[in-house]
Amino acid sequence: GDSVTQTEGLVTLTEGLPVMLNCTYQSTYSPFLFWYVQHLNEAPKLLLKSFTDNKRPEHQGFHATLHKSSSSFHLQKSSAQLSDSALYYCALTSGGNYKPTFGKGTSLVVHP
Amino acid sequence: GGIITQTPKFLIGQEGQKLTLKCQQNFNHDTMYWYRQDSGKGLRLIYYSITENDLQKGDLSEGYDASREKKSSFSLTVTSAQKNEMAVFLCASTRTGGQDTQYFGPGTRLLVL
Repeated sequence: GDSVTQTEGLVTLTEGLPVMLNCTYQSTYSPFLFWYVQHLNEAPKLLLKSFTDNKRPEHQGFHATLHKSSSSFHLQKSSAQLSDSALYYCALTSGGNYKPTFGKGTSLVVHP
Repeated sequence: GGIITQTPKFLIGQEGQKLTLKCQQNFNHDTMYWYRQDSGKGLRLIYYSITENDLQKGDLSEGYDASREKKSSFSLTVTSAQKNEMAVFLCASTRTGGQDTQYFGPGTRLLVL
């Protein structure tokens, strides 16, 4: 079956430093990857998702590249902002499957 | 645009009680989901529904029932609340599935005394 593994637990960064949150996956069929972000007391919402044509998705300064050779979809940003503090989920669907698989989430805290 | 509404926002129950959570969406989406969110365990899928009157079990369906009464609504029932249980239940919907973005509701926070 499908599985998603994320950087576990808590990542703490100083404002201005680069962000990288890891996501690796296992999938039987061709995967489609997502990053969702959940700010405190809010609902999760889409941050970005992989394209079928291998373009690199970008949003709010974040980007991620789907590497099928290493089964990864790491989330990156060149310079962390205080407002990036949130819970980040990597998720996967595959083979037209309606059932998504989520990672356990990574909590990012950015401090001054 | 659209919105997902979950009721109630907070639910306090007693051990052994049957509790029902409701979700409504006005996106006109076909597929709806129920997740349980626990700290450190991520989002775990309880039930999902591809279309009206369809039900599919997720990874955490034991102890829960679900009902897709119509396209816009999806209910979840905790069949027997467990003492000291505390979790957030999130409802989501997508246009169809697969590559489509999931849109989440604000959640129902459950506490069982």
